[in-house]
Amino acid sequence: NAGVTQTPKFRVLKTGQSMTLLCAQDMNHEYMYWYRQDPGMGLRLIHYSVGEGTTAKGEVPDGYNVSRLKKQNFLLGLESAAPSQTSVYFCASRRLAGGTDTQYFGPGTRLTVL
Amino acid sequence: AQKITQTQPGMFVQEKEAVTLDCTYDTSDPSYGLFWYKQPSSGEMIFLIYQGSYDQQNATEGRYSLNFQKARKSANLVISASQLGDSAMYFCAMREYGGGSNYKLTFGKGTLLTVNP
Repeated sequence: NAGVTQTPKFRVLKTGQSMTLLCAQDMNHEYMYWYRQDPGMGLRLIHYSVGEGTTAKGEVPDGYNVSRLKKQNFLLGLESAAPSQTSVYFCASRRLAGGTDTQYFGPGTRLTVL
Repeated sequence: AQKITQTQPGMFVQEKEAVTLDCTYDTSDPSYGLFWYKQPSSGEMIFLIYQGSYDQQNATEGRYSLNFQKARKSANLVISASQLGDSAMYFCAMREYGGGSNYKLTFGKGTLLTVNP
């Protein structure tokens, strides 16, 4: 049981390049999320999904796209990277059962855009 | 207005002592959940504890307890018998379950806890 995994762990891009971050969870959770974490800003929600085939915008969706073709995977895409997208990206999945609500995070991807 | 306020940017505690990290929240939704996460210097976000707004008792998980004062809209984290490994950033977060926004977990800006030997 690996929990939530993210690929890659680190990446450096040049402005204008594209890339996809992969998130995978093996807990059969319906909800999945992408956040970015910047110094002094806390975590901010980029996009989320409430189930396979569904996606929706969060607080800061501009410049990102997502897909949830399979329940266990949630992909975050940057079509044309900008220096403002330099950040640490966290994926999370959510378990809602038995009167409790838990959101598990992946280890994070540190992205630098030059 | 901020939904989650953590007023202590940094806290220091001696090893083996207890420490309280403050968190206040703002919501008009009667149904909500409160969370605490730990982020060590390695960067991962570790779930610590959850409290539902209708829970009658304060949540506890090992050395962690959540001091939930609903009328004051306060959800402080208490760590008993601090250990060196508790040194980390701690985030308070809230999810509102009504009004169609139950997807969103709103985070505070965090408190950096340092445990001294």
